Amino acid sequence: QVQLVQSGAEVKKPGASVKVSCKASGYPFTGYYVHWVRQAPGQGLEWMGRINPSGGTTTYSQNFQGRVTMTRDTSTSTVYMELSSLRSEDTAVYYCARLSVAVTLYGMDVWGQGTTVTVSS
Amino acid sequence: DIQLTQSPSFLSAFVGGRVTITCRASQDIGSYLAWYQQKPGKAPRLLVYAASTLPSGVPSRFSGSGSGTDFTLTISSLQPEDFATYYCQQLEKYTFGQGTKLDI
Repeated sequence: QVQLVQSGAEVKKPGASVKVSCKASGYPFTGYYVHWVRQAPGQGLEWMGRINPSGGTTTYSQNFQGRVTMTRDTSTSTVYMELSSLRSEDTAVYYCARLSVAVTLYGMDVWGQGTTVTVSS
Repeated sequence: DIQLTQSPSFLSAFVGGRVTITCRASQDIGSYLAWYQQKPGKAPRLLVYAASTLPSGVPSRFSGSGSGTDFTLTISSLQPEDFATYYCQQLEKYTFGQGTKLDI
């Protein structure tokens, strides 16, 4: 079935980096952007950026420019999101979600299960 | 940047009732709007895309309307499983509204 499966929870110290993976299955990997959205405890959803698995092009939110890097491995249908210079405010659940390259009007119809990242000294 | 403002932030209702959540965009986004439902500890679920289209599997008691800058999500005949938080999202720059928590 169509699914996105994310890597497990992470605990990091301030200043470190974290790399979260999102493995796609059940659909053409290059036909859908993969977006990353995070949610701090008790807060709303925040869009971080997206990657086009076809060519690897990325678009990042200005809020994360310079700290986030999204990459992909087409051989394993996996997308990665790396966030650097972590601070306590980056403690959140990080989600990946797909959105059609052809028709962005369709919305984010499949989501990963979420990865909890805790930043603590 | 395109800002989305949802109202209300909190909403109390009862099973069998009807509620409407609004989402206002800071500039014209046409029909580039989606609505999501999120329950505690779960990933968001797509409820409406293109402002008014329901994906397969979404009950017909959910409906979306609007275009340009003003949008609404209406839930008629509320069911116990509908009590959750709802977010709108604009599909040009992908920002989300701040959310509306629907409580019993």
